[in-house]
Amino acid sequence: DIQMTQSPSSLSASVGDRVTITCRASQGIRKDLGWYQQKPGKAPKRLISAASSLQSGVPSRFSGSGSGTEFTLTISNLQPEDFATYYCLQHNSYPWTFGQGTKVDIK
Amino acid sequence: EVQLVQSGAEVKKPGESLKISCKGSGYTFSTNWIGWVRQMPGKGLEWMGMIYPSDSDTRYSPSFQGLVTISADKSISTAYLQWSSLRASDTAMYYCTRQTGDYWGQGALVTVSS
Repeated sequence: DIQMTQSPSSLSASVGDRVTITCRASQGIRKDLGWYQQKPGKAPKRLISAASSLQSGVPSRFSGSGSGTEFTLTISNLQPEDFATYYCLQHNSYPWTFGQGTKVDIK
Repeated sequence: EVQLVQSGAEVKKPGESLKISCKGSGYTFSTNWIGWVRQMPGKGLEWMGMIYPSDSDTRYSPSFQGLVTISADKSISTAYLQWSSLRASDTAMYYCTRQTGDYWGQGALVTVSS
């Protein structure tokens, strides 16, 4: 199985901050990775597909980069509605695997 | 509009069986993979497996192989997740999702308690 190591597991930030979350794959997954946002009591929502493609309707302050084994999700100019938990998901090979999640809360 | 609508919350006893559903609409159901994701209380997301409704090709995570069964009825655009004998540790929220997670169901809370 491909292991996805996501870091940090949590972070505290202020409105307006720039936040970076990293996922590292245990083996190369090309760009077969998505980033998801989940708010309490809600289903996850995909923000980024194919490592760097912003989903329609997602604010441009979200961006993704990387390929192979190292991937990042960056939120520039953090907004109040961005406080949530973020996950990466690799879909390069079965079984697909999620990162452990990063909870972003208010400093 | 693409929608995945899941069946409602369930409360069951250990040892009972259960089948929950996920109905797709607004797209060609049979030619899009449907996956299932578990989220235990206060925990992260776990990919369980997925099915291609057109031919019922199914892939399971080894962590869930033999513990659950994923199926689909393309004639009614519905995918299923079932257990033959529930355990307390199956208590969780279960989500269905299309393809690589572009659309998600609203989730179904399964509570297993004696």
